[in-house]
Amino acid sequence: LAKTTQPISMDSYEGQEVNITCSHNNIATNDYITWYQQFPSQGPRFIIQGYKTKVTNEVASLFIPADRKSSTLSLPRVSLSDTAVYYCLVGDKNAGNMLTFGGGTRLMVKP
Amino acid sequence: ETGVTQSPTHLIKTRGQQVTLRCSSQSGHNTVSWYQQALGQGPQFIFQYYREEENGRGNFPPRFSGLQFPNYSSELNVNALELDDSALYLCASRPRLAGLEETQYFGPGTRLLVL
Repeated sequence: LAKTTQPISMDSYEGQEVNITCSHNNIATNDYITWYQQFPSQGPRFIIQGYKTKVTNEVASLFIPADRKSSTLSLPRVSLSDTAVYYCLVGDKNAGNMLTFGGGTRLMVKP
Repeated sequence: ETGVTQSPTHLIKTRGQQVTLRCSSQSGHNTVSWYQQALGQGPQFIFQYYREEENGRGNFPPRFSGLQFPNYSSELNVNALELDDSALYLCASRPRLAGLEETQYFGPGTRLLVL
C-alpha cells in the first residue's frame, strides 16, 4: 500500500478556505485517494474520494494533479465545527480492503 | 449517524484478562473490519470479515480474534490483555467485498483501558 505524508497540524480561522495537501509518491495505477474526518472519541467519517483531476461534493473538493503523486483536500469557509483530524488514504483495490491510516492532520479552526 | 453501533462504549480490564467487543453493522453491509486506534495515532487495521470468514488481517498477534454472525454482526476478542492494548477499537462496515471505492462506515468505537 502506498504511504502518505501529511502535515501534522494546521491552524485556520473561521470563514477561511483550508487546503490540506497529502503526498503519495508511490501511488499505483489502481489506487484511489480517500479522505476521512475524525472528531475526538468518534469513528472516522468519509469526506471525499477521487482518482484523478477534481472531485467536488457538498462538503469539500479534492484536487489531484495529472501525476497523482499528491492530492489536496479543500474545505471552503471552515467553521469551528471543522476542527478535527483529517486523514488521507491511498488504497490498492486489488490488495484487499484494509485501510492504512497515517498520522493525519490536526486542523484547529479559531474564532 | 452511520448505522454502525458498538458495545460497550467504555471498558476497563486488567492485564491478562480477556475481552469481547461487539459491533452491529449497517443494514445491508456484509463486510466488517476492525481497527485499533491508540491515543494520538491513526487507526490500525486488525482484520476484516466477509460472509463469516476472515479474509484480511493486519499486523496483529493471534490473541486478537474475531467472529462474524449470519446477521453480519461481529465480535472482536482479545486474550491475555496487555497494557498496550489500551485504545479505541473501531468497527467499520461496507456494502460488499470490494475495493477502496466502496465507502466504509465507522461506528463510534469502544474505549478499552487495560490496567
